[in-house]
Formats: sequence, C-alpha cells, structure tokens
Amino acid sequence: GQSLEQPSEVTAVEGAIVQINCTYQTSGFYGLSWYQQHDGGAPTFLSYNALDGLEETGRFSSFLSRSDSYGYLLLQELQMKDSASYFCAVTNNAGNMLTFGGGTRLMVKP
Amino acid sequence: GAVVSQHPSRVICKSGTSVKIECRSLDFQATTMFWYRQFPKQSLMLMATSNEGSKATYEQGVEKDKFLINHASLTLSTLTVTSAHPEDSSFYICSAPGLAGLNEQFFGPGTRLTVL
Repeated sequence: GQSLEQPSEVTAVEGAIVQINCTYQTSGFYGLSWYQQHDGGAPTFLSYNALDGLEETGRFSSFLSRSDSYGYLLLQELQMKDSASYFCAVTNNAGNMLTFGGGTRLMVKP
Repeated sequence: GAVVSQHPSRVICKSGTSVKIECRSLDFQATTMFWYRQFPKQSLMLMATSNEGSKATYEQGVEKDKFLINHASLTLSTLTVTSAHPEDSSFYICSAPGLAGLNEQFFGPGTRLTVL
C-alpha cells in the first residue's frame, strides 16, 4: 500500500516563503506530484518530480529525495490568492493511479 | 492545457434515487479516466479507474454495483450513483491523464452531490 504524510495547516504572511513537506511510504514509486485546490474547486496540477532535485516553475518549486522518501513544495513571494489546499501525490511503479496525501491548508495573511 | 468538464456541477436528490454524472475530455481523447470522491476538508480518494471499451477497475471498499461506471467513448465517462443515500453526499471529481501520462492529470470541476 501507499501512505503520504503532510502537515494539515500552514499559515504565512504575504510576500513570505513557505515550504510544505511530504513524506511517503510506498510499495513502488514512480514520481511525486503536487496539486493546488481552492475551496469548492478542482485540483490543478502544479509540478512533478521523478528524479532527485529541484524543479522550478515560476514562484513554485518542488523538491524530491527518493532515498529519503521525501519531497516538498516551496512557494515564494506568497500572494493572498495562494490560500488553498495543497496535495502531494505519488504515482506507483505500475503507473496506474495517483494516491493523494491528506492535503495542507495554506492560509496567507496580509 | 487539456480541459475536462463535468455535468452537473451540483445535484440534490432524494434518498433512493439514482444520479448520473458525466465527465468529458473536451480537446483530447482519454482511454482512461479516474473517479474520485472528496468529503469536506479531506483528501481525494480514488474510487475507480474507468477504461474505454472495458470494465472499470474499482478500489477496495467501493461497491461496483452501487457506483456504475461506463466509458463508452474516448471522450466520455459516466458515474451513476444508484439508490443514493445521505452518506453518499460528497464531491465527486473525475480526471484524465494528459499527454505526458499519469504524471499530470487534468481534473474536472467536480460535482457536488447532496442526498436528502
């Protein structure tokens, strides 16, 4: 089976940097993805890591360490619109589905 | 990016009735689609994998006779909640993999089901 752990809530101020961690246990691992979901909305894809290291996409970056079964999402220059839930998700070796973490609710304050 | 639509966006029904939810890939073909259920303030739980032209694959604990899935074409999958009960009230979301495969999935806007 697979399980993912991430903090349930994070609060930060506008303009700051925040890191959301994700640790996983899986019987097979292909890659780690991150999704953003605003209240009442659908998840939207943010980033994907299959190899160790940092992937940067604008204000958002994602990091993966396969040996540590650990990854994180880094959000820079926080804006109020970044207030949302962020989910990490793993794709297993069979590549047949995504398993999502419990989600981290980010609240950005002025 | 690819667009996935869902219909209806909201539905309220009486206990015992059946509800059909449609998921369409608008600008690409999807041989595989996924159905998730999400309760308030919780994560997305995969219910089943919908395969075009063949039977759906259900996750453990999901009743296939209650949640009927039909993937009749490369752009349409439907989920029918049969004999719905209040405990079936939830947010149902479908998704389809993009061209890069499962690394990126495109989600529909979701359907809020309320069973009275």
